[in-house]
Amino acid sequence: GAVVSQHPSWVICKSGTSVKIECRSLDFQATTMFWYRQFPKQSLMLMATSNEGSKATYEQGVEKDKFLINHASLTLSTLTVTSAHPEDSSFYICSARMGNPSGANVLTFGAGSRLTVL
Amino acid sequence: GQNIDQPTEMTATEGAIVQINCTYQTSGFNGLFWYQQHAGEAPTFLSYNVLDGLEEKGRFSSFLSRSKGYSYLLLKELQMKDSASYLCAVKDSNYQLIWGAGTKLIIKP
Repeated sequence: GAVVSQHPSWVICKSGTSVKIECRSLDFQATTMFWYRQFPKQSLMLMATSNEGSKATYEQGVEKDKFLINHASLTLSTLTVTSAHPEDSSFYICSARMGNPSGANVLTFGAGSRLTVL
Repeated sequence: GQNIDQPTEMTATEGAIVQINCTYQTSGFNGLFWYQQHAGEAPTFLSYNVLDGLEEKGRFSSFLSRSKGYSYLLLKELQMKDSASYLCAVKDSNYQLIWGAGTKLIIKP
């Protein structure tokens, strides 16, 4: 089955530093990947849609200059949290799907990255 | 606006049956998904409904009524490992996934 690898699984950093999270589709090509954020006891919140070879599409309220997304190849998307602050502490999850969006395509999620900013 | 409602928390007994409801109001409908999410982990796919009716998969079944904007996830023969959050998500007319807040299911011995 489709596998999405995400790392690091957890990271602790100082306020003001930048953190990069990688998301790889291991056995399929993903032209589109999705980045979610999830706060404790809350649902998934879509941050942005990452498109291979083009700019990411950000959801309303998500700062594109703070959350840099790069989708350099069909199997790799990265999320960089720039100048992280404690309020950015959260669980970040990437996902990818196979096929086109009009089909019954299931999202495959990475294991998630728990970011703690001190 | 678009909205998905599901209970915040439910409690059930090991070996019993539990039904988790989900109602939705979205701009269009192109399918409904149920995902399971254990604490601190990413969601995993459980079921997909696009036509009315019941889809059965082992101990889990999912039902859909498009006219009522309603779905439920039925879990039978509950096991302790079923303790998790269950997320309902609807694909709208733009094929975007709208997520519910999730239902935390607590299984007691």
